[in-house]
Amino acid sequence: EAQVTQNPRYLITVTGKKLTVTCSQNMNHEYMSWYRQDPGLGLRQIYYSMNVEVTDKGDVPEGYKVSRKEKRNFPLILESPSPNQTSLYFCASSLRARDNSPLHFGNGTRLTVT
Amino acid sequence: AQSVSQHNHHVILSEAASLELGCNYSYGGTVNLFWYVQYPGQHLQLLLKYFSGDPLVKGIKGFEAEFIKSKFSFNLRKPSVQWSDTAEYFCAVRSNYQLIWGAGTKLIIKP
Repeated sequence: EAQVTQNPRYLITVTGKKLTVTCSQNMNHEYMSWYRQDPGLGLRQIYYSMNVEVTDKGDVPEGYKVSRKEKRNFPLILESPSPNQTSLYFCASSLRARDNSPLHFGNGTRLTVT
Repeated sequence: AQSVSQHNHHVILSEAASLELGCNYSYGGTVNLFWYVQYPGQHLQLLLKYFSGDPLVKGIKGFEAEFIKSKFSFNLRKPSVQWSDTAEYFCAVRSNYQLIWGAGTKLIIKP
């Protein structure tokens, strides 16, 4: 089944403790992206990747890192999480960035930083 | 800067009422337009999309949207809503490779 898989679904952590949220897609998509969703703010893009080894900042990249060493994986890394990073995170992918292909979303990761 | 505006943050309707959710964008060039839906506790799913051709686009579950270029709008419509349409709806506009999202509209359908 074609899908975007995020793990974990729920994560509670403390300030400063490094964490990684994994994202994997099995559709051979070139484009992958991370969003955070906060009430009243919709989706804001954190980082995106046009292809392997190509990553760029989105609208709210501060406090986050990503890597794209393989086409299928696009992990989101929080080196030193802070309470303002408490949010719902979505990974998404599409065939390419510059065409008509829609985004496929993962099921989300609800992160709480205390 | 490019932006996408969804006029209503919350909409409450009774079952069988007609629905129209507004979406306006600021970019003047060629755009691709999307509506996504997020049911409670779930991820976003594509509802419908417009790339070119007929400006009236039909999507899943009886939804449709009309692209009006002169008004920079892509409003979502459904003639008769059901309780199961309770969800959050997001409009998104793609220009070049950038996808800009609206803030979302929470729709609650009273049974």
